[in-house]
Formats: sequence, structure tokens, C-alpha cells
Amino acid sequence: DAMVIQNPRYQVTQFGKPVTLSCSQTLNHNVMYWYQQKSSQAPKLLFHYYDKDFNNEADTPDNFQSRRPNTSFCFLDIRSPGLGDAAMYLCATSRTDRAWGGYTFGSGTRLTVV
Amino acid sequence: DAKTTQPTSMDCAEGRAANLPCNHSTISGNEYVYWYRQIHSQGPQYIIHGLKNNETNEMASLIITEDRKSSTLILPHATLRDTAVYYCIVRALSGGGADGLTFGKGTHLIIQP
Repeated sequence: DAMVIQNPRYQVTQFGKPVTLSCSQTLNHNVMYWYQQKSSQAPKLLFHYYDKDFNNEADTPDNFQSRRPNTSFCFLDIRSPGLGDAAMYLCATSRTDRAWGGYTFGSGTRLTVV
Repeated sequence: DAKTTQPTSMDCAEGRAANLPCNHSTISGNEYVYWYRQIHSQGPQYIIHGLKNNETNEMASLIITEDRKSSTLILPHATLRDTAVYYCIVRALSGGGADGLTFGKGTHLIIQP
């Protein structure tokens, strides 16, 4: 089945140590998104790639970066994780060449900072 | 995107219909109503969306009032696996744009055995 896959499901990193989360998709969607979801809160959009164009949300900290080497893969880099960055990170995709406007989410990576 | 208001939580007995309300009194003419749900520790899952007509699919039905200021998501025969947070989101259809979804607080639906 076509899907959005996030690896790993659980990631533990040390305070201040760079960490990368990955997302891949087999849907051939041209837009990929990263959301942050802290405990008991709604998902919050960090940024998205529209094809190769990177679009950052205004309040996303500089500590968060993203890379999209090709259509299928997108990475979230946290340069210096702090305790406040512990959260579930969700990847999502959508397509803009068809008007249905739906989004497909991965299962998320739960990041713990120690 | 128009703002939505949903109850914080709701209970429903297993096997009964679950009716989840959503108010979106500032919805614009080109904005659709989308429903997503998020089961604990999983990513949000698309359920249904609509503009002004009632919609039904294999998961749920969506009833939108004539003035489009509110809607109700109906899960016809709720099961324990339907326990989740349900998000009502209004936004213009994506076509040509790539804006992400803006999630509100949602409704935590608890299905009781």
C-alpha cells in the first residue's frame, strides 16, 4: 500500500546532540510537511516542502532544519535538541495537482531528549 | 483559515452512533470542512470532508447545516477502536496551494464498553 513511513518510531537523543528524523513516501505527492506535537497538544506545523521549495513557518525555531533530497524522502534535523524539543514529530504529504486537498500522515517519531 | 469550536470531550456507548459537533460560524464560501482523527500515539487519519452537501463514506457521515456555520460528524456504530481525538478543520481546497493543516484542540471521543 502507498504510504508515509517514518523512522525510527522512537528516538532518544542527548541534550545538545544533533539528531535527524526521516520520512519517506510512496504516494508520489509533491508536498511534504513536518509537524511537532507535544504531549496533550494539537500538531503544530513547522515547515513544508512544495516540490523543492522550502517554506518555513514564521515561529519555527532556527534549531529546526529540513532537507528534501528527492520526491520520496524528507528529513528533519534538530541541530541542538533541548529538553523542550521532546515531542512526537509527524510527517505528512499532500498533492497539489488534484483538488481533493487531503493529507496523509505517517505514524510519527517520538523524540526523547535526555 | 476559519476557526472552529469543538467540545473538549465526549463519551459514547459502544455500538451507538457517535455525533461530534463542530461550530465554524466564520467559514468562507470557498472553505471546506475536513475531519481528521488521531488515535493515541499514531498520526492523524483523514475521515471525510465536504463543502455544503452532506457526505458519507465507509467511515462516517458529515452533516453540514444549510448556513454552513456548523457541522456534525457521525460515526454510525461506534467501536472501542474509534476512541481518539477528532479534529474539525475548515480550509480552502488545496489545489494549487500547499498550506498545511491548522489543528485546533479537537474532541476527545471515548467509546465506553
